[in-house]
Amino acid sequence: NAGVTQTPKFRILKIGQSMTLQCTQDMNHNYMYWYRQDPGMGLKLIYYSVGAGITDKGEVPNGYNVSRSTTEDFPLRLELAAPSQTSVYFCASSPDKSYTFGSGTRLTVV
Amino acid sequence: KNEVEQSPQNLTAQEGEFITINCSYSVGISALHWLQQHPGGGIVSLFMLSSGKKKHGRLIATINIQEKHSSLHITASHPRDSAVYICAVSFLVRGNEKLTFGTGTRLTIIP
Repeated sequence: NAGVTQTPKFRILKIGQSMTLQCTQDMNHNYMYWYRQDPGMGLKLIYYSVGAGITDKGEVPNGYNVSRSTTEDFPLRLELAAPSQTSVYFCASSPDKSYTFGSGTRLTVV
Repeated sequence: KNEVEQSPQNLTAQEGEFITINCSYSVGISALHWLQQHPGGGIVSLFMLSSGKKKHGRLIATINIQEKHSSLHITASHPRDSAVYICAVSFLVRGNEKLTFGTGTRLTIIP
């Protein structure tokens, strides 16, 4: 099993550009999450989903959007990239209380 | 809101030493997680604990629910154990599990 797959691994964006971070899991987990990790800080929850068609905001949702049209996919959309969105992004999935994380996407906005 | 504090923030030790990393949290939880992150790498789940103690190879995790404290121990440490170790606690918010993360402990094992 591949687990949780994130693409791309690295990306440089210019201010104002948009992009989608992809996340796919093949474990049939209901719960999926997007986190960002900034230097010296704990991971912060951006958005989460409890199942296909259901999403909700986390602690730091501003500047991001998500969708969950299938159980497997949970893409994160940045519409107008800003330098404050420079971070490492992690997707995770969970069947209930255990978590599987992706390998991360390092995003730099210049 | 649950606050998670880890100590120490940084730890350097010689190969073979016994390592202890501590984690404290502020409110009741449903589970505590220990995670490992290698430089530039993804996050791997090491343990999920709700009580007592768990062991996997050279790694041991303990939790004291009354004191709201957990420790991660590494016996016979090795340079490949060098990584950031993250404590996270899960608790229910509006019926859904949420994770709050500590800032991590950067462990360096010198050969």
